[in-house]
Amino acid sequence: QVQLVQSGTEVKKPGSSVKVSCKASGGTFSSYDISWVRQAPGEGLEWMGGIIAIIGTANYAQRFQGRATITADKSTSTAYMELSGLRSDDTAVYYCARTDPQDAFDIWGQGTMVIVSS
Amino acid sequence: QSVLTQPPSVSGAPGQRVTISCTGSSSSIGAGYDVHWYQQLPGKAPKLLIYGDNNRPSGVPDRFSGSKSGTSASLAITGLQAEDEANYYCQSYDRSLSGVVFGGGTKLTVL
Repeated sequence: QVQLVQSGTEVKKPGSSVKVSCKASGGTFSSYDISWVRQAPGEGLEWMGGIIAIIGTANYAQRFQGRATITADKSTSTAYMELSGLRSDDTAVYYCARTDPQDAFDIWGQGTMVIVSS
Repeated sequence: QSVLTQPPSVSGAPGQRVTISCTGSSSSIGAGYDVHWYQQLPGKAPKLLIYGDNNRPSGVPDRFSGSKSGTSASLAITGLQAEDEANYYCQSYDRSLSGVVFGGGTKLTVL
């Protein structure tokens, strides 16, 4: 059974960067696509981007272009999402999710809380 | 403002049927892209409920069903149970944005 386990809560200063990890267990990581979705407190879900792990190509939502970087390390079955230039409105829970060919997110990580505060 | 439009809230009594709509456009649902639905319980990660418009993953009760027509999709829940009280989100792809899009979410209250 595939599981995605994410790194723990982060507290960051405005203007800094955060890197969240998502480690897969079970299955064949190189065959997964992984997406990142965030959810601000009391708000809905927002897709940030994703990576095709087998070839390492990432794509991003327009609003995160140039600020988010999604990577994958096949040797450790871990995907990463780095967000730079943090602002207070980046405070959110960040989720990774396995993505099927029709863009359905069938397995989710437990979420990582990122708090941006001075 | 979300690309896909959902009602903020719906409610129903136990045993009743409710539907949640998800309205997109000609560049998203109307372009033929699949619609997926998620259930999110308080404090939990979302869970895939319906994929590919009307398919249930293993373990999802057949009380949940999805449909799609034109630029809209719907999630139907029959035989409402207290445990169905949650937030529900639709999701698709938008070719004008070249990315995945979500609805704003609908809070289901079981009366």
